[in-house]
Amino acid sequence: SQTIHQWPATLVQPVGSPLSLECTVEGTSNPNLYWYRQAAGRGLQLLFYSVGIGQISSEVPQNLSASRPQDRQFILSSKKLLLSDSGFYLCAWSKGFNQPQHFGDGTRLSIL
Amino acid sequence: KNEVEQSPQNLTAQEGEFITINCSYSVGISALHWLQQHPGGGIVSLFMLSSGKKKHGRLIATINIQEKHSSLHITASHPRDSAVYICAYISNFGNEKLTFGTGTRLTIIP
Repeated sequence: SQTIHQWPATLVQPVGSPLSLECTVEGTSNPNLYWYRQAAGRGLQLLFYSVGIGQISSEVPQNLSASRPQDRQFILSSKKLLLSDSGFYLCAWSKGFNQPQHFGDGTRLSIL
Repeated sequence: KNEVEQSPQNLTAQEGEFITINCSYSVGISALHWLQQHPGGGIVSLFMLSSGKKKHGRLIATINIQEKHSSLHITASHPRDSAVYICAYISNFGNEKLTFGTGTRLTIIP
């Protein structure tokens, strides 16, 4: 069966520090991968999606970036975090567009 | 104005009550998702539908494409159903991203 792992579960970082959140999927190959953010009191927002290794589409311009170095690995990064980067970050995968998406447990990121 | 409107925003009900959560959108879509987010933040996909009705256990989802409206129903509600329920659509404009509603917070009281 397919599983998705996302870590860490919680993270507290100072403003200006770098960020790396990792997401891995097991039990499937060539999945679509997604990074979402949920700011406090707001709905989910798609940040990045990827349909294959090295292929990243950005939905929202910001100081975050994403990479897909391996088929089932999706990384969200920042060189310098801003206060506005605080939120709940979710990774998800699907077998394709118009297929159900399966979510990780999320990372709660607090910027101080 | 949000592209996806959910109602109600908050709903408190007694255990056993029949629950209805509504979702309206304004664009042509290829599919609509219903998601459940638990207090810890984890999200579970409940349904993906593009027409008609789907049922899974005590959960039923319906969609009316012409009226651009979907409903999620919970029969014989239970405290463990307490969660935020989110609808999201994929438009048929060629952009495959999900657009999310802000969710309905459901609390079931024993």
